[in-house]
Amino acid sequence: GENVEQHPSTLSVQEGDSAVIKCTYSDSASNYFPWYKQELGKRPQLIIDIRSNVGEKKDQRIAVTLNKTAKHFSLHITETQPEDSAVYFCAASTSGGFKTIFGAGTRLFVKA
Amino acid sequence: IAGITQAPTSQILAAGRRMTLRCTQDMRHNAMYWYRQDLGLGLRLIHYSNTAGTTGKGEVPDGYSVSRANTDDFPLTLASAVPSQTSVYFCASSEQGPGELFFGEGSRLTVL
Repeated sequence: GENVEQHPSTLSVQEGDSAVIKCTYSDSASNYFPWYKQELGKRPQLIIDIRSNVGEKKDQRIAVTLNKTAKHFSLHITETQPEDSAVYFCAASTSGGFKTIFGAGTRLFVKA
Repeated sequence: IAGITQAPTSQILAAGRRMTLRCTQDMRHNAMYWYRQDLGLGLRLIHYSNTAGTTGKGEVPDGYSVSRANTDDFPLTLASAVPSQTSVYFCASSEQGPGELFFGEGSRLTVL
């Protein structure tokens, strides 16, 4: 089955700097890659996603890149702000399948 | 407000007892899921359901059962709780898999 690895487990940056979180997946049939943000004590919420027919997607300060050959994808947050502090999860799933498998999460601290 | 409702929010349970976590959605989504969240392990899929009347096993199904009698409800049952089932449980739904997951607020379960 699918396995998703996520690095780093913890990331601390200064406000205004960029943050990058990387994930790898094992199942070459995976074609949907979402990213979720979970604030302390709250539910995970989707922030951006990408499908395998594109290599990059951007939404304001966040962007995701996908390399299907290498089976890895990354989340990029630019101009970080204290409110970006949260746990971020990458995930992978396959078309026609109903299993969205998550990475272990990255706790991001943005220092003011 | 449309969304997913989980109950109970929190529960302390003696080992060996039976427990059912309830999940109801009013978005008419076809797919529903149960995840458990443990520190350092991210979100792990327990069971899922593509549509009413069908269920499937996720990454960690042992000790849990589910049913999907209708579109809206997807209860998770622990037949005989054990301390290793202490966790935060999230129910989620998606319009159709794979796609954005909408999570409930979670149920914190402690098994003593």
